[in-house]
Amino acid sequence: AQSVTQLGSHVSVSEGALVLLRCNYSSSVPPYLFWYVQYPNQGLQLLLKYTSAATLVKGINGFEAEFKKSETSFHLTKPSAHMSDAAEYFCAAGGYQKVTFGIGTKLQVIP
Amino acid sequence: EADIYQTPRYLVIGTGKKITLECSQTMGHDKMYWYQQDPGMELHLIHYSYGVNSTEKGDLSSESTVSRIRTEHFPLTLESARPSHTSQYLCASSEGTSGGGTQYFGPGTRLTVL
Repeated sequence: AQSVTQLGSHVSVSEGALVLLRCNYSSSVPPYLFWYVQYPNQGLQLLLKYTSAATLVKGINGFEAEFKKSETSFHLTKPSAHMSDAAEYFCAAGGYQKVTFGIGTKLQVIP
Repeated sequence: EADIYQTPRYLVIGTGKKITLECSQTMGHDKMYWYQQDPGMELHLIHYSYGVNSTEKGDLSSESTVSRIRTEHFPLTLESARPSHTSQYLCASSEGTSGGGTQYFGPGTRLTVL
């Protein structure tokens, strides 16, 4: 069975600072890995997706994530936070037929 | 842009009422899902469907039921709403049947049962 752990349910960064949201997965085989973002009063939308083509995955809005098999991690980063990045971010792992989501990390951007 | 719709967006209802949450998608996806989302908790899968006339219960036990008579439509029904059903309900769809498909989410229905 898969599990997804997101370290830190709340993260605060200053505008212009590095954003780092952590995600570790537990799986017997490297799964499909996703980051989704949820803005207030909206559903989730895909930020980026790892499908084994490349370990560094670039997504929308300047975000990227690196798959590290040895660390079973898929951390999300953005070099410079913008106020519009304030949202909740979900890491997810897809296996044979199902997808498991983490509990989410709320990102606050301080002006 | 994903075309998946949920109605109503907000619903406040009394205990014991029957309710149906609507979900429709225009992308022709075979697989559809219902999730329950509560603050500080992971998304819990409550129902999914691989296609017409296919429905399965998810990981989280739910008193709700679903149907899939048409590809584009996946409604969720609560026969008798209770305060414990208060939550946000998200509908999603994806291509294919493996766990690698991107899921497209609707905006959600926030249900409050008094």
